[in-house]
Amino acid sequence: DTGVSQDPRHKITKRGQNVTFRCDPISEHNRLYWYRQTLGQGPEFLTYFQNEAQLEKSRLLSDRFSAERPKGSFSTLEIQRTEQGDSAMYLCASRRVAGETQYFGPGTRLLVL
Amino acid sequence: GQNIDQPTEMTATEGAIVQINCTYQTSGFNGLFWYQQHAGEAPTFLSYNVLDGLEEKGRFSSFLSRSKGYSYLLLKELQMKDSASYLCAVPKPNNAGNMLTFGGGTRLMVKP
Repeated sequence: DTGVSQDPRHKITKRGQNVTFRCDPISEHNRLYWYRQTLGQGPEFLTYFQNEAQLEKSRLLSDRFSAERPKGSFSTLEIQRTEQGDSAMYLCASRRVAGETQYFGPGTRLLVL
Repeated sequence: GQNIDQPTEMTATEGAIVQINCTYQTSGFNGLFWYQQHAGEAPTFLSYNVLDGLEEKGRFSSFLSRSKGYSYLLLKELQMKDSASYLCAVPKPNNAGNMLTFGGGTRLMVKP
């Protein structure tokens, strides 16, 4: 257990529905990252926060995706009008400003039917 | 851009030694990470190399050659629990965010 928690761990939804995932980073970590991982592949970067500021977004993050970190602590990732191609593991990671290592949470596995 | 290559799958025997290679191309080098990921679980940090050479941590060692764009992870005295995917990753260069670019992972199967 790295100290990063994610909720829910699993989510099954129907195409067209909206879903929201939550990530609670390690408490003293002010940098928070979202990645997406499909079966047999490595994680791919989606977006990154320093405190409450969203500083970078990948081109993978379509306009159906939105992420927030309102108080610089936990973060949420929302997917609107889900598509079957959104089925993946969504991983959250955090790190300290002065540190190099990102520590990952257990992920939320999304299945869109 | 960045590119990372690692073998897709490897098989080894319990008690043996296995070397998992990773080659990378990046416009600016800022270290290389190895993570272990068991099926359905989070990647867990194994090692971070920023200087050339071998770093040993118990049964696991990681090697880096910056001039060759090459790293390997060496696992000794393999145990069944070492069956997992091993991910090589480099941070995005010249970027304070240091978001990681991962290879596709090497799935290691340890057999009795």
